[in-house]
Amino acid sequence: GENVEQHPSTLSVQEGDSAVIKCTYSDSASNYFPWYKQELGKRPQLIIDIRSNVGEKKDQRIAVTLNKTAKHFSLHITETQPEDSAVYFCAAFSGTYKYIFGTGTRLKVLA
Amino acid sequence: DAGVIQSPRHEVTEMGQEVTLRCKPISGHNSLFWYRQTMMRGLELLIYFNNNVPIDDSGMPEDRFSAKMPNASFSTLKIQPSEPRDSAVYFCASSRDRGEPQHFGDGTRLSIL
Repeated sequence: GENVEQHPSTLSVQEGDSAVIKCTYSDSASNYFPWYKQELGKRPQLIIDIRSNVGEKKDQRIAVTLNKTAKHFSLHITETQPEDSAVYFCAAFSGTYKYIFGTGTRLKVLA
Repeated sequence: DAGVIQSPRHEVTEMGQEVTLRCKPISGHNSLFWYRQTMMRGLELLIYFNNNVPIDDSGMPEDRFSAKMPNASFSTLKIQPSEPRDSAVYFCASSRDRGEPQHFGDGTRLSIL
């Protein structure tokens, strides 16, 4: 069935370093890939997304890359700050209605 | 834009009681999703509505769970009777259409004693 694998499950980086989170999807029909940030006790919030006709998208310190051939996409956060600490979820839209979520990455930015 | 509104924010009740969670999607959004989030199972899709019609309820764990969407601005998720293993955070999300960004509500933290 449809599946999204997300790695790593936890990630610690020093403030100012970069963080990279990777996801792999199984359904080749997937065409929309959002990333969500969830702070403790809060709701998931969309931070960036990418569609299958684009290979890369940037928004300030955040970027997402997509490799359709390999069926994987990655979130890149540069110049990390303590407020970037949160759980990050990737998702793949299946083309019908389902958003398949990854299992999450707990990012800790050390000051 | 008020965002997706859920109520209550917190619910603590004893097992066997009926629990009703409420959701108001963003105006103009035709897709509504109910999710359950736990540490063990992550974010699980329970049910999906499109234009107020349930399209996929395969994620509803048991017959004890039911969901309705009587109109475009309101949905409920009901658990009857509730059990301790139903304790979780329940999120409602809506999107303008299929394949559009989902917007989540603040969730209902449910504890069944």
